[in-house]
Amino acid sequence: EAGVVQSPRYKIIEKKQPVAFWCNPISGHNTLYWYRQNLGQGPELLIRYENEEAVDDSQLPKDRFSAERLKGVDSTLKIQPAELGDSAVYLCASSFSGPWETQYFGPGTRLLVL
Amino acid sequence: GIQVEQSPPDLILQEGANSTLRCNFSDSVNNLQWFHQNPWGQLINLFYIPSGTKQNGRLSATTVATERYSLLYISSSQTTDSGVYFCAVEPSEAGTALIFGKGTTLSVSS
Repeated sequence: EAGVVQSPRYKIIEKKQPVAFWCNPISGHNTLYWYRQNLGQGPELLIRYENEEAVDDSQLPKDRFSAERLKGVDSTLKIQPAELGDSAVYLCASSFSGPWETQYFGPGTRLLVL
Repeated sequence: GIQVEQSPPDLILQEGANSTLRCNFSDSVNNLQWFHQNPWGQLINLFYIPSGTKQNGRLSATTVATERYSLLYISSSQTTDSGVYFCAVEPSEAGTALIFGKGTTLSVSS
């Protein structure tokens, strides 16, 4: 069984540029999460989807961040424009039916904003 | 909001040694998970353990929900155990996300 797939693995951009990350969850997993992990910290949730519905986006900086999961499968997280403080690892995770279940993480996208 | 504190922050071991990692949380939880993040950044779920004790090979975990703590035991440590161990909790408040602690960084040398 394939795990959570993310791309790209690394991205270097200049500030004010846009950037997008892609995630394909484990097949059959209805719940998808985007986390941000700053250096030396644990992951922090940005947004959680149940199928195609965003059910928790309270920590998503909506002025510059957006996300979509149009068909309830793969998802895209976008930052526009990027700021220096957005440098972090962006992790995607999935679970079968909710946060009370085991979450499986992708390898992450390491973003560096110059 | 709920606070999740892990100790120790750093741990250095010789191969073969045993260790105990602790996670304290400040409020009641529905769910507690332990993760290992390897040196390449991959997070792997170790245990889903809102209460009780579980064992998986050289690793075991115990959560005492009434006293708001969980312990992760690593026996006969190996160099491949190196990395960061995270405790994450889902507060009992409905609909909230997993809250991660800051982790314990484990270095095992041969």
